[in-house]
Amino acid sequence: AQSVTQLDSQVPVFEEAPVELRCNYSSSVSVYLFWYVQYPNQGLQLLLKYLSGSTLVESINGFEAEFNKSQTSFHLRKPSVHISDTAEYFCAVSAFGNEKLTFGTGTRLTIIP
Amino acid sequence: EAGVVQSPRYKIIEKKQPVAFWCNPISGHNTLYWYRQNLGQGPELLIRYENEEAVDDSQLPKDRFSAERLKGVDSTLKIQPAELGDSAVYLCASSLAPTEAFFGQGTRLTVV
Repeated sequence: AQSVTQLDSQVPVFEEAPVELRCNYSSSVSVYLFWYVQYPNQGLQLLLKYLSGSTLVESINGFEAEFNKSQTSFHLRKPSVHISDTAEYFCAVSAFGNEKLTFGTGTRLTIIP
Repeated sequence: EAGVVQSPRYKIIEKKQPVAFWCNPISGHNTLYWYRQNLGQGPELLIRYENEEAVDDSQLPKDRFSAERLKGVDSTLKIQPAELGDSAVYLCASSLAPTEAFFGQGTRLTVV
């Protein structure tokens, strides 16, 4: 079985400041890793994913995440946040060959003008 | 291209009443999921379909929950009877590839 830990339930950040949302996972098998974003009153949207290859993956809106196998982490970063980044962010894993996503409890990112 | 469509968006019912949620996945997506998201938690899988077949329903409370996916397209999730603890957001998702699930906006259920 897999599990995901998002230690920070809420992260307030000033606009244009950098941010890091932490995600750690546990699994006895190899996994795929995902970050989903949920804007207010909307469904979950895939932000980025790590399947294989380069451990640094990027999204189209400036977020990036790095897979660290030794630390079993997949932290999400952005060098400069905007008001429009206000949302809840969920880290998720799925085991190779299993399409079930296991989610963390989410981190609510609040941007302070 | 239309995304995953769910209805209704909101539902308020009294406990012990039945309720049903409907999901229309993205056209051509063979895999369909139902997740439940409790307040302050991440989504948890209830059931996964491959076409018409439920291939993972281990987390579905079968005493009161049921689901169907007729003709391998639309799906319905039913609760009968509903309990206070069933208040949550019910999310439907579909995928063509194992590593990219698309989610609907969800149905927010409140049981009073």
